[in-house]
Amino acid sequence: TQLLEQSPQFLSIQEGENLTVYCNSSSVFSSLQWYRQEPGEGPVLLVTVVTGGEVKKLKRLTFQFGDARKDSSLHITAAQPGDTGLYLCAGVSGYALNFGKGTSLLVTP
Amino acid sequence: SQTIHQWPATLVQPVGSPLSLECTVEGTSNPNLYWYRQAAGRGLQLLFYSVGIGQISSEVPQNLSASRPQDRQFILSSKKLLLSDSGFYLCAWSVGFEQYFGPGTRLTVT
Repeated sequence: TQLLEQSPQFLSIQEGENLTVYCNSSSVFSSLQWYRQEPGEGPVLLVTVVTGGEVKKLKRLTFQFGDARKDSSLHITAAQPGDTGLYLCAGVSGYALNFGKGTSLLVTP
Repeated sequence: SQTIHQWPATLVQPVGSPLSLECTVEGTSNPNLYWYRQAAGRGLQLLFYSVGIGQISSEVPQNLSASRPQDRQFILSSKKLLLSDSGFYLCAWSVGFEQYFGPGTRLTVT
């Protein structure tokens, strides 16, 4: 099993602040995905990155895939309370996804 | 559009009792199907996946089993639940490598 380490595990910030969360592995992945999960619900796919060095933007969220395809980052600009949730990264490995343990984000007004 | 259903939404079962969780997908054909377990709101552990009817791959040895009797139906079962089986069970489908999750079942074993 290819391990994905996410950091930080917990993050509590105020509305309007910027933040970056990280997803790191010693293994190379063909692609990497980011999900957001709210309490009591299933994860929702945010983005898939495929090419080393790729940057994708989703409104205030910016996702980057490392050049070596071993790591990724998620940057949120001007965080809002609606961004609160568990952010999970997952690396594609054959038919399955290997998930990190997630970063739990709390944005307070 | 595709939708995925799981039931029940919540379940409280005593130790030693049997378990059956069901997952169905609508709006797609021949999807890959997955069962995950999530403990304490953290990362997802892949339990089983299936690439077709009757084809089940197990990722983690345990007292759980899975079956796929129909193309878009995936069932998670146990003959005798353990306390350690408590958790949030998620079903997912994929065509390609992007996975889409159901709403989950919260299982508490007492």
